[in-house]
Amino acid sequence: DQQVKQNSPSLSVQEGRISILNCDYTNSMFDYFLWYKKYPAEGPTFLISISSIKDKNEDGRFTVFLNKSAKHLSLHIVPSQPGDSAVYFCAAEKGAQKLVFGQGTRLTINP
Amino acid sequence: DTEVTQTPKHLVMGMTNKKSLKCEQHMGHRAMYWYKQKAKKPPELMFVYSYEKLSINESVPSRFSPECPNSSLLNLHLHALQPEDSALYLCASSPLGQGGTEAFFGQGTRLTVV
Repeated sequence: DQQVKQNSPSLSVQEGRISILNCDYTNSMFDYFLWYKKYPAEGPTFLISISSIKDKNEDGRFTVFLNKSAKHLSLHIVPSQPGDSAVYFCAAEKGAQKLVFGQGTRLTINP
Repeated sequence: DTEVTQTPKHLVMGMTNKKSLKCEQHMGHRAMYWYKQKAKKPPELMFVYSYEKLSINESVPSRFSPECPNSSLLNLHLHALQPEDSALYLCASSPLGQGGTEAFFGQGTRLTVV
């Protein structure tokens, strides 16, 4: 039962353009949604989160949008930079400290 | 210091061996976690410790035995593992209380069971 889904295993974007990573979920009881970035041979690194009562949260180049009616969230990165190339995981939190991760999307930023 | 340190980085063990994975953080976080990540899969939660007490066990087989000796250390004792237990084991820590809080992950221990 995949409660958090990232349907695009990979995404390729040109440097300077916008990267949009998508995530769908099935459980309407999730309280928070988070995005993590993972480089090879490193643990995931937190990027940004959003409460289920908000529809947008912005932090520098990163913006997360939440559409509760569609059970969909997206991460926008603008402008995209070569250092953004990594695997991005969407995660949802149900109750304290319980994170459920999506399968990840490998983002490649091309010069 | 915003690091979570895991040792060893790599471990190869036989199915009859006993080994331990170690995790350490000095950020004062009172929640610590073990996750398991198989190749091309997302991290899956195994255990959560809150204030050094086991608060969540995601139905993990008893051949995995967690231990939290103090607020900075988290161990995962391994015994009689199977080859399918080969994976990246990630430790994480976070403050307790508010939801949506950033969890800090270690680099992981790459475990191979032969």
